[in-house]
Amino acid sequence: GAVVSQHPSWVICKSGTSVKIECRSLDFQATTMFWYRQFPKQSLMLMATSNEGSKATYEQGVEKDKFLINHASLTLSTLTVTSAHPEDSSFYICSASLAGQYEQYFGPGTRLTVT
Amino acid sequence: GENVEQHPSTLSVQEGDSAVIKCTYSDSASNYFPWYKQELGKRPQLIIDIRSNVGEKKDQRIAVTLNKTAKHFSLHITETQPEDSAVYFCAASLGGGQNFVFGPGTRLSVLP
Repeated sequence: GAVVSQHPSWVICKSGTSVKIECRSLDFQATTMFWYRQFPKQSLMLMATSNEGSKATYEQGVEKDKFLINHASLTLSTLTVTSAHPEDSSFYICSASLAGQYEQYFGPGTRLTVT
Repeated sequence: GENVEQHPSTLSVQEGDSAVIKCTYSDSASNYFPWYKQELGKRPQLIIDIRSNVGEKKDQRIAVTLNKTAKHFSLHITETQPEDSAVYFCAASLGGGQNFVFGPGTRLSVLP
């Protein structure tokens, strides 16, 4: 149980275009979903936290107009990287948790390369 | 805010030996401390966790200890095997919430 999927697993896009990444909880309803960014050989950095039906809470330094997060249902959250630039190239990982529980279940990640 | 430090950044051990990774945190309100193992290009996988009302937890070859007074917790892996080679991250919950702050990671290499 507690499986989280992400799509796509990797994507290459041109500078200036937008990319959407989907995060789905397959066998449970996730009240909270988290989006992380991980640069090579670095740790996971929390970008934002989203609860179903409400606006995402962004971490300091993360531009909410550039990284659009939608959590429309208890099983789906999306991250859209708008006007992507090469410095946005990174490994984006989502996680999901149940209400009142600490444990986060991670998706397999999406490797974004902006050319 | 919460700050999590982790040491060492790299660790090499011989197969069969033990490995210890240590983390410290700054927020005294943190009450949940998970450890994740991440292989290259893969998702982080929870290997063990501990809550603030417990001092030690063990699961086969893996154990975690927590010292709330000193604000540090440690991961212990005994009888290491080559498949234990990976990057290990500690994390601490932010206050009583569900958000985590991750440590910078430890690259463990188990030499056959």
